[in-house]
Amino acid sequence: ELKVEQNPLFLSMQEGKNYTIYCNYSTTSDRLYWYRQDPGKSLESLFVLLSNGAVKQEGRLMASLDTKARLSTLHITAAVHDLSATYFCAVLTTSGTYKYIFGTGTRLKVLA
Amino acid sequence: EPEVTQTPSHQVTQMGQEVILRCVPISNHLYFYWYRQILGQKVEFLVSFYNNEISEKSEIFDDQFSVERPDGSNFTLKIRSTKLEDSAMYFCASEKDRNTEAFFGQGTRLTVV
Repeated sequence: ELKVEQNPLFLSMQEGKNYTIYCNYSTTSDRLYWYRQDPGKSLESLFVLLSNGAVKQEGRLMASLDTKARLSTLHITAAVHDLSATYFCAVLTTSGTYKYIFGTGTRLKVLA
Repeated sequence: EPEVTQTPSHQVTQMGQEVILRCVPISNHLYFYWYRQILGQKVEFLVSFYNNEISEKSEIFDDQFSVERPDGSNFTLKIRSTKLEDSAMYFCASEKDRNTEAFFGQGTRLTVV
C-alpha cells in the first residue's frame, strides 16, 4: 500500500529563516496536496500539485512536485510566527483504489 | 464559497453508546469520505462512498462502523458501540469528481469517556 512519509516530524525555527519540509511517497500518484492544521482545527488546503515539475507559491510558502522522485517539498521563506502549525502532505492513490493517504505531519514552531 | 459542514463540532459520549456524526457535503459533489485523526497523530482513511454504496474501507472501519446517505444531502457515520479508542477528530470530505480537489469539513471531535 502507498506509504507517505514526511520529514522532519518536528521543526523549530527562528523567524526570518528558511527551511524545507519533505514528503516522500512510495508509489505512483497523479495528485498531491499540502494542508495546514492549527491545533484542534480542521485541515486548510494550501496547495494542489497535479503534474511533474509543478510549483506553486503563496506568500512565504512554495510547494513543488517531482513525480519521478516521488517527492514533494514545502519551502518556507523568511518564516514568521503565524506559520506555526502542523503541515500535512496527502497523496492521492489510484492504483486499484482511490483515496488520499496522509503523511505523518510536520509540526512547525516558529520562534519570535 | 460552498463548504462541507459537520455537526456536532464536539460530542462527548459514554463508552458503549452509539453515536452518529453528521456531514453535509457540497451540493453537487458525488464522492464522500470519512477520515479520522487521533490526537497528535496523522489523518487516517476510514471509508469512501459513491452512488449510495461503500467504495472502499480501511481496516479501522470494522463492523462497529457504518455510513449512509439517508436523504440525498446528509452523509452520516455511525459508531454502534463506542470504545475509548474511538476518541478522535472525525473529518468528512466530498469531491465533485475524480479529477477535482476533495474538500474537508471542520471536523467533529468525539470524546468517549
